[in-house]
Amino acid sequence: DTGVSQNPRHKITKRGQNVTFRCDPISEHNRLYWYRQTLGQGPEFLTYFQNEAQLEKSRLLSDRFSAERPKGSFSTLEIQRTEQGDSAMYLCASSLEAGDPRGTQYFGPGTRLLVL
Amino acid sequence: LAKTTQPISMDSYEGQEVNITCSHNNIATNDYITWYQQFPSQGPRFIIQGYKTKVTNEVASLFIPADRKSSTLSLPRVSLSDTAVYYCLVGDKGNTDKLIFGTGTRLQVFP
Repeated sequence: DTGVSQNPRHKITKRGQNVTFRCDPISEHNRLYWYRQTLGQGPEFLTYFQNEAQLEKSRLLSDRFSAERPKGSFSTLEIQRTEQGDSAMYLCASSLEAGDPRGTQYFGPGTRLLVL
Repeated sequence: LAKTTQPISMDSYEGQEVNITCSHNNIATNDYITWYQQFPSQGPRFIIQGYKTKVTNEVASLFIPADRKSSTLSLPRVSLSDTAVYYCLVGDKGNTDKLIFGTGTRLQVFP
């Protein structure tokens, strides 16, 4: 295991369609984060998991967004009824948490979504 | 809510030292301050992290004053391959689960 992987790397969809992205973290990492990054901006926090528990969700994560990490390993991020404003790079990161302070996050290559 | 500010862009020449500062207030008191490098169409890559004072690794140094209201990433002797966007990442004091990236500094290194 050489790092965080994300699939697909690119996704083009039509407005109104549903899309699902997958993230495979570094194998021993217990925390998994999702971020969204639009062109020219820094990544924005969306949500994170500690093992299989989703501990925090940003206001950016509307009702159309859902994330899961069913067995505390890989995670999926689903966007329902996509809108053009959802076009962005979706980044996943993982870390090993063993107490304070927070562990270092390592990022995947991202999934670039384009909604037409 | 934590707020971060970085210079939008910086220019440098190969072989020079570059210092990039991130101003951050209302950050979590028990979190590291972390810096990342990002190339186009790639995920951020970890550079360095620290809590207070000075930290150095094989690629950079990080200076954090006692009040932790800013941090400065120092890149010694930059090369063309250091041309990238650099971000600081901090935790929010009011919501320690929330992480906030800086606005990003685009570093351009010239030959």
